[in-house]
Amino acid sequence: GAVVSQHPSWVICKSGTSVKIECRSLDFQATTMFWYRQFPKQSLMLMATSNEGSKATYEQGVEKDKFLINHASLTLSTLTVTSAHPEDSSFYICSAKPGLFSNQPQHFGDGTRLSIL
Amino acid sequence: EDQVTQSPEALRLQEGESSSLNCSYTVSGLRGLFWYRQDPGKGPEFLFTLYSAGEEKEKERLKATLTKKESFLHITAPKPEDSATYLCAVYSGNTPLVFGKGTRLSVIA
Repeated sequence: GAVVSQHPSWVICKSGTSVKIECRSLDFQATTMFWYRQFPKQSLMLMATSNEGSKATYEQGVEKDKFLINHASLTLSTLTVTSAHPEDSSFYICSAKPGLFSNQPQHFGDGTRLSIL
Repeated sequence: EDQVTQSPEALRLQEGESSSLNCSYTVSGLRGLFWYRQDPGKGPEFLFTLYSAGEEKEKERLKATLTKKESFLHITAPKPEDSATYLCAVYSGNTPLVFGKGTRLSVIA
């Protein structure tokens, strides 16, 4: 149980393009979803927390206009990287759990490798 | 501020050579400590949750233990397929998970 699906797994696109990444919880309702960024050989860096039906909470230093997050249902959150540039190239990972204050584990998707040319 | 420190940063073992990974933490009211395994190019895979000191969890060659200050992930007779980065994270109820930087484990046949 507790499967999180993330698509696409790999994206290559030109500079200036906007890219949308989807994160779905397949067998549970995810009130809360998280978006992380990971650089090679480094740990996860939290970008934002989103709760279904409300605005996302962004971590300090993360541009909310650059990284648009929508959590419109209990099973789907999307991250849109707007007007992407080479410095946005990274590994993006989503995770989900049943509730923000739940002590149940977060379950992660398999990540999206984004390469901006 | 919640903090997690994992050691060692990297560990190289021969197949069958048992060892332990350490996760030291400071947190204001632990509500859960989590172990994950991450393979290159993949998202973290959930392994264990520990909620209170003295608790232990086992899965195949892995055993996780918890005290009031640290957690250990014991690996018994590891195999090459156990090679991965192992991440520890804590949850205090007030903030999202706080992750350590991980231990990169390599098991050599």
